[in-house]
Amino acid sequence: GAVVSQHPSWVICKSGTSVKIECRSLDFQATTMFWYRQFPKQSLMLMATSNEGSKATYEQGVEKDKFLINHASLTLSTLTVTSAHPEDSSFYICSARSGLNPYNEQFFGPGTRLTVL
Amino acid sequence: AQTVTQSQPEMSVQEAETVTLSCTYDTSESNYYLFWYKQPPSRQMILVIRQEAYKQQNATENRFSVNFQKAAKSFSLKISDSQLGDTAMYFCAFTGANSKLTFGKGITLSVRP
Repeated sequence: GAVVSQHPSWVICKSGTSVKIECRSLDFQATTMFWYRQFPKQSLMLMATSNEGSKATYEQGVEKDKFLINHASLTLSTLTVTSAHPEDSSFYICSARSGLNPYNEQFFGPGTRLTVL
Repeated sequence: AQTVTQSQPEMSVQEAETVTLSCTYDTSESNYYLFWYKQPPSRQMILVIRQEAYKQQNATENRFSVNFQKAAKSFSLKISDSQLGDTAMYFCAFTGANSKLTFGKGITLSVRP
């Protein structure tokens, strides 16, 4: 199956700093990438959808100035949490999909655990 | 907007037994896909099985099968011959024309030795 990686797998940062998380599709071209947030024992909540070369589309309630998403190439998307605060501590998961068919399978990365002190 | 409901927060099953996880959904779309994902303690999301709405035949993948009742908007997952490695959180999910995955709240399944 298709492989999606995320880096780093975990990160600890101080309040007020920015953190960048990378999501890469290793063996396919990802036309669309998705970013999710998951709190412990809870479900995945979609934060935003990004298409290569376009601005990301954010879900309602997600601050686009706080969660900056860039999808500059067909294999890389980045999520930058700006001015992080303890309430941003969470597990962030990306997924990637190839092609234009909306029903194509999404392949998930292993996730990044963010802890903000 | 579509919704996915998993009303059972936890279930437990004896190894080698069969267990069924419930899921209902609501949508006005006629064409869509339904999924069951497994999230083990590693937290890597793994696709277990998927069902296309226009296919009447229930999907099966080895020990995993679904009971898809389109009129009732029900999509349950049956795990046969449960194994210790099946211990995980299981999410039911829906995707329609907007291509976004909508997840249920999930169910924690424990397989007892």
